[in-house]
Amino acid sequence: DIQLTQSPSFLSASVGDRVTITCRASQDISSYLAWYQQKPGKAPTLLIYGASTLQSGVPSGFSGSGSGTEFTLTISSLQPEDFATYYCQHVNSFPLTFGQGTKVEIK
Amino acid sequence: EVQLVESGGGLVQPGGSLRLSCAASGFTFSDYAMSWVRQAPGKGLEWVSVIGGGGIETQYAGSVKGRFTISRDNSKNTVHLQLNSLRAEDTAVYYCAKGGDSHLPFDYWGQGTVVTVSS
Repeated sequence: DIQLTQSPSFLSASVGDRVTITCRASQDISSYLAWYQQKPGKAPTLLIYGASTLQSGVPSGFSGSGSGTEFTLTISSLQPEDFATYYCQHVNSFPLTFGQGTKVEIK
Repeated sequence: EVQLVESGGGLVQPGGSLRLSCAASGFTFSDYAMSWVRQAPGKGLEWVSVIGGGGIETQYAGSVKGRFTISRDNSKNTVHLQLNSLRAEDTAVYYCAKGGDSHLPFDYWGQGTVVTVSS
């Protein structure tokens, strides 16, 4: 199984900060990586797929990059509504797996 | 507008069974794979199973293989997950999601249904 390791697991930041979350895969997954945002008590929502393609309706302040085994999610200027938990997920092969999550909290 | 609405969750004893359903609307259902993803209380996301658009191809996570069965009825735009031999560690919110095969992510999710396995 492909393991995904996110760092950091927890991040404290202020409104307006630039935030970067890293996701490392245990083997080459090409660009088959997605990022999701989840707020408490809600279902996840898709932010990025194909490592760098912004899902329709997602603010342009979110961006993704990477390929192979190392990927990043960047929020260019943190907004109040961005405080949430973020998960990476690979869609390279079965079983599909998620990273353990990165919780972004207000400093 | 794409909508996914899960139902069927509840409290069940260890070793028991439950059948979850997900009603889909707003897209051509038979054109897309459908998946189930779960989240234990306070934990992260775990993919459970996927079924192809035609209902033939299925895949399961190792933790549920042999106990859970995914199926779909394209005439009713529904996908089901039969949960058998339930264990305490199956306690989670179960989400239905559109996608999950052919390298596609989950672009739409339902609101989830809660399964609690406890005596």
